[in-house]
Amino acid sequence: SSELTQDPAVSVALGQTLTITCQGAGLRGYSVSWYQQRPGQAPILVNYGQNIRPSGIPDRFSGSTSGNTASLTITGAQAEDEADYYCKSRDSSGYHYVFGAGTKVTVL
Amino acid sequence: QVQLVQSGAEVKKPGASVKVSCKASGYAFTNYDINWVRQAAGQGLEWMGWLNPNTGNTIYAPNFRGRVTMTGDTAINTAYMELSSLRSEDTAVYYCAVDQYDSETFYSWFDPWGQGTQVTVSS
Repeated sequence: SSELTQDPAVSVALGQTLTITCQGAGLRGYSVSWYQQRPGQAPILVNYGQNIRPSGIPDRFSGSTSGNTASLTITGAQAEDEADYYCKSRDSSGYHYVFGAGTKVTVL
Repeated sequence: QVQLVQSGAEVKKPGASVKVSCKASGYAFTNYDINWVRQAAGQGLEWMGWLNPNTGNTIYAPNFRGRVTMTGDTAINTAYMELSSLRSEDTAVYYCAVDQYDSETFYSWFDPWGQGTQVTVSS
């Protein structure tokens, strides 16, 4: 089982806002990063640290952390945002990385 | 641009070993750790471990300790992941990724990723 807990699935209407959460005790001490994975493709980085977006990632993707919960918000979801989203951080030892189980996002 | 290119698909029999390569370009290979992540069909991402190409130091996930070996060749900017004693449950896509760890902020992010290598274990 993962030390990071994510909701298995979330759906949102086109153009609306959704928030994906990632819970874990380790998030109080370690940063989180978020990855988008479309079917048949490798994951890509969409947000990390204190809401930092890599070049080329739309500004509708924003991240935040409060206590033991990290969140990825998509403001104005588009059809191309339909994908699996994974959070990553460290485990309680601090030496190993761990991924959440992933959240499947459906844009209706 | 920064890029990781992985070796091609492999089919192995149970009990055999597989070695996947990951060739880096567009950056100083020894400056960043290479991580390995796998994904079985329909499942999530599973972190396997990392390699420091500069020192050769490694850290492996507990689930793989004793079966995985990560190495690097700085002359050709290539990292390798070898998994032994293969079983059917090891059938998965294996990814390498650059860990752009920032020692000032302690932020860690994997970017970029390789394209993935399908490893199939079947008798």
